[in-house]
Amino acid sequence: DAGVTQSPTHLIKTRGQQVTLRCSPKSGHDTVSWYQQALGQGPQFIFQYYEEEERQRGNFPDRFSGHQFPNYSSELNVNALLLGDSALYLCASSWTGGGYGYTFGSGTRLTVV
Amino acid sequence: ELKVEQNPLFLSMQEGKNYTIYCNYSTTSDRLYWYRQDPGKSLESLFVLLSNGAVKQEGRLMASLDTKARLSTLHITAAVHDLSATYFCAVPPGGADGLTFGKGTHLIIQP
Repeated sequence: DAGVTQSPTHLIKTRGQQVTLRCSPKSGHDTVSWYQQALGQGPQFIFQYYEEEERQRGNFPDRFSGHQFPNYSSELNVNALLLGDSALYLCASSWTGGGYGYTFGSGTRLTVV
Repeated sequence: ELKVEQNPLFLSMQEGKNYTIYCNYSTTSDRLYWYRQDPGKSLESLFVLLSNGAVKQEGRLMASLDTKARLSTLHITAAVHDLSATYFCAVPPGGADGLTFGKGTHLIIQP
């Protein structure tokens, strides 16, 4: 049973560019959350998607946007990249129907130069 | 705004010793999570604590939750080198799902 899959694993972008990160949730999960983890810090909640809609959002600017597809997979888009956007981006999936567990993917390491 | 504080942030200890990591949070929540993260890796779920007085144990790790004090502890018994990692506690604000994480406790266990 596959866990949470994220792609790509590493990415280097230039300031001002746009980036799209992808996440496939664990089989049976219908909810996807995205987190940003700067080096040496705890993850910070970006937003959560359920039924193809943004259900909850953390304290991140509108440059961060997302999407969830009918197969529950999700994308995170970041526009106008800043150096401070360099971080590990983690996707977590869960099932709304019961239980409280979150399964995290291995993450995408984004470096903005 | 929910704040989650862990202490200590850094801990170096010897194998065979016992120690406790503390996690305080500032507003009401109905559950608390503990995760482990190895360098360059993702988060591994350790415990989900769902009620006041909840205690869970896995191997040398034991976690407890006091919702009245808004405090959770992660106790390490007879530490071994393989437990070296960064440990995070995380709490969802009441009525929401997005987790607020502490800054993490970087644990080094020396032979």
